[in-house]
Amino acid sequence: DIQMTQSPSSLSASVGDRVTITCRASQGIRNDLGWYQQKPGKAPKRLIYAASSLQSGVPSRFSGSGSGTEFTLTISSLQPEDFATYYCLQHNSYPFTFGPGTKVDIK
Amino acid sequence: EVQLLESGGGLVQPGGSLRLSCAASGFTFSSYAMSWVRQAPGKGLEWVSGISSSGDATYYADSVKGRFTISRDTSKNTLYLQMNSLRAGDTAVYYCAKGGISWGGFDSWGQGTLVTVSS
Repeated sequence: DIQMTQSPSSLSASVGDRVTITCRASQGIRNDLGWYQQKPGKAPKRLIYAASSLQSGVPSRFSGSGSGTEFTLTISSLQPEDFATYYCLQHNSYPFTFGPGTKVDIK
Repeated sequence: EVQLLESGGGLVQPGGSLRLSCAASGFTFSSYAMSWVRQAPGKGLEWVSGISSSGDATYYADSVKGRFTISRDTSKNTLYLQMNSLRAGDTAVYYCAKGGISWGGFDSWGQGTLVTVSS
């Protein structure tokens, strides 16, 4: 099974900051990776698919990059509504696996 | 508009069974793979099970293999998860999610249904 790691596990940031979250796969997964945002009590929402494609309706301050084993989610200018937990998901092969999550809170 | 509506959650004793349903609308249900994903209280997301668009292929996490069964009924546009031999560790919110390998992961999620396994 493919294992996913994420770093950092949490971070504190201010509105307007640039935020970067990294996800690593235990083996190559091409670009079969997505990024999801989850707010408390809500279902996850997909932000990025195929490692770097922006989901329709998602603000352009979100971007993704990477392929193979290392991937990055970047928020170019953090907004108040972006405080949430972020997960990566590999969908290269079953069983799918999520990263452990990165909680972004207010500094 | 895609809608996924889960139901069937509740309180069940250890060793008991429960069947979750996910009613789908707003898209051609038979054209998409589907999955169940769960989240234990205060924990991260865990993929549980997936099924191909045709229903011919099913997949399970090791943690539920042999105890859970995923299925779909195209005539009812409904996804199911039969859960047997439930354990305290199965306590979680269960989400159904649309998509799979060929769809870039999950583009739509239900609101979730809570399963509590406790005596």
